Amino acid sequence: LAKTTQPISMDSYEGQEVNITCSHNNIATNDYITWYQQFPSQGPRFIIQGYKTKVTNEVASLFIPADRKSSTLSLPRVSLSDTAVYYCLVGPIYNQGGKLIFGQGTELSVKP
Amino acid sequence: DARVTQTPRDKVTEMGQEVTMRCQPILGHNTVFWYRQTMMQGLELLAYFRNRAPLDDSGMPKDRFSAEMPDATLATLKIQPSEPRDSAVYFCASGNPPGQGDPGELFFGEGSRLTVL
Repeated sequence: LAKTTQPISMDSYEGQEVNITCSHNNIATNDYITWYQQFPSQGPRFIIQGYKTKVTNEVASLFIPADRKSSTLSLPRVSLSDTAVYYCLVGPIYNQGGKLIFGQGTELSVKP
Repeated sequence: DARVTQTPRDKVTEMGQEVTMRCQPILGHNTVFWYRQTMMQGLELLAYFRNRAPLDDSGMPKDRFSAEMPDATLATLKIQPSEPRDSAVYFCASGNPPGQGDPGELFFGEGSRLTVL
């Protein structure tokens, strides 16, 4: 499974755009990139998934360069409620026998 | 609103006692994962099932942990005997493999917080 590296923590202010970058230098051809969000005392929640280029949904955007060795989760105009831990996962999607392995995550703190 | 249900939400027990945690996956989901979360280790995958069959339990201490799916609506994680180092939050998650336009996200329960004294 590809190892991921992401910042341990980040600080931001309300209304700012937040970009969290995840490095995955040994990503394999059949690996996808998935991001989950976890609030205190809750289970993780799926945010977004992508394979290449750019993916956007109502919550976030995911940018993946051509070499796929890194990816960036972009949260537009964060609010206090976006304070959470964000996990980057890289691996074959689980119907291909892959399993979801969580790293240490990035603890995002949004200040007023 | 469909959700994964876990019981108990909180459990305090003494070392050596048997602990059983239960999970009701979302109806229609065929894949169930068990994770354990601690401050030191983060989220660790313990085991996962597809169509009630165990696919991988390599993350689980075999001598004291066991995971089963007696039927499609129930997954259990048992610890016998429990030890203080088993203190953690145990999460169950369910989902279906990715399909057309569906990324195959996992839906997590709220967790079972276990404290072993």
